Amino acid sequence: GENVEQHPSTLSVQEGDSAVIKCTYSDSASNYFPWYKQELGKRPQLIIDIRSNVGEKKDQRIAVTLNKTAKHFSLHITETQPEDSAVYFCAAIGNFGNEKLTFGTGTRLTIIP
Amino acid sequence: GAVVSQHPSRVICKSGTSVKIECRSLDFQATTMFWYRQFPKQSLMLMATSNEGSKATYEQGVEKDKFLINHASLTLSTLTVTSAHPEDSSFYICSSEQGFNYGYTFGSGTRLTVV
Repeated sequence: GENVEQHPSTLSVQEGDSAVIKCTYSDSASNYFPWYKQELGKRPQLIIDIRSNVGEKKDQRIAVTLNKTAKHFSLHITETQPEDSAVYFCAAIGNFGNEKLTFGTGTRLTIIP
Repeated sequence: GAVVSQHPSRVICKSGTSVKIECRSLDFQATTMFWYRQFPKQSLMLMATSNEGSKATYEQGVEKDKFLINHASLTLSTLTVTSAHPEDSSFYICSSEQGFNYGYTFGSGTRLTVV
C-alpha cells in the first residue's frame, strides 16, 4: 500500500518568514495530494491540493509543488502569521481503485510573533 | 461545499459500555465513508472503509467485532465502539469523498473518553 513520510515533525518560524514542509510517497500511481491544517481538537481542513498532472499550485500565501519523478511534494507558506500555527498533514491517494487517503505523520508549525 | 455532520462531539462512557458515533452527509450522497482514529499528537489512522449497503472493510489490526460500522443509507454511517476500554479513548473522525473530484470532507470528530 501507499506510504507517506513527512518532515519535519515540528517547525518553528518567525512571523513573516516562510515555512516549508516536505512529504514523500511510495506509490508511483498516486494522483492526488491534499494538504490539511488541523487545529487542536478540530477536524482537518483542506488548505490546498494538487493533482499529478500539475507541478505547482498556488493560493495566496500557500503553494504546493509536486515532483512525480522523485515522488515528493512540498507545502510552502509565505509571510507566515500567528494564525498559521497548527498541525499540517500531507496525504496521498493510491490508484487502482483504492481511493483511501494515506496521511503523513504531521508537522506541528509554530509561528513566533 | 459538502458537509459531513458528526455526533456526538464529545462523549465520556464507562468501561464496558458501547458508544455510537454518527456521521451524516448533509448535501451529498456519501457512497463511501472512511473512519479514522487519531491519538494525541499522532496522525489520522484509517480504521475502516464503509460502503453503502455492504460490509465495511477493516484495516489490518482493527477488530471488526469491536468497531461495528453500519452504512445503511447514502447519508448515514455509524461507528459503534463496543465494550469500550480506556485504551479506546481517542479522537474518531469520519470522512467521505465527493466522487470524481477526489475532494474529501471530514466530520467534526468525536472525542471519546472511556473511564
